Amino acid sequence: DTEVTQTPKHLVMGMTNKKSLKCEQHMGHRAMYWYKQKAKKPPELMFVYSYEKLSINESVPSRFSPECPNSSLLNLHLHALQPEDSALYLCASSLGQDQGEQYFGPGTRLTVT
Amino acid sequence: AQRVTQPEKLLSVFKGAPVELKCNYSYSGSPELFWYVQYSRQRLQLLLRHISRESIKGFTADLNKGETSFHLKKPFAQEEDSAMYYCALETGANNLFFGTGTRLTVIP
Repeated sequence: DTEVTQTPKHLVMGMTNKKSLKCEQHMGHRAMYWYKQKAKKPPELMFVYSYEKLSINESVPSRFSPECPNSSLLNLHLHALQPEDSALYLCASSLGQDQGEQYFGPGTRLTVT
Repeated sequence: AQRVTQPEKLLSVFKGAPVELKCNYSYSGSPELFWYVQYSRQRLQLLLRHISRESIKGFTADLNKGETSFHLKKPFAQEEDSAMYYCALETGANNLFFGTGTRLTVIP
């Protein structure tokens, strides 16, 4: 398996909802990433996990809560989001945090109403 | 602070013509630069990285530290090259900082 998968593909949620985005890879990669991509903008790094530990948080608001339950899974828990949080959320993985190219998933398109 | 500039949002060339997508960077450390590509309805994927000095799908890019540039070039554009191209700078331990992207359209 040489892909990064993300579920769901699309998500619509209200500002008071709690939802989670899921990312999975079975390539034995030990670094995983969350990016946010607004329309017609480049991806922006949110979080980096290395060996299941959070190593980078790019000053992301606490309404986004990442979790790495094991080396293959990465979740992004969402709570009390704002409409401006609507975006494509991309997951990526790499062999290690300082080695190997990043492989991207297809993304989850999130709409906050 | 780091900066990656791709001056052209849109670029159109005819099939068979040479193509050059410009990328300039600003970074105080030792730069590692990449080109990522996103074809229609496909995921973002690595096209090439400067340290490998490879030619992928006929594309090459040379890091010019004097001009702080990493332009992407191909001598003869093909229709299947139409895509969104992002230049990216690695700012530390695989942290990628992306430019704003150039949408390339190859006209048949």
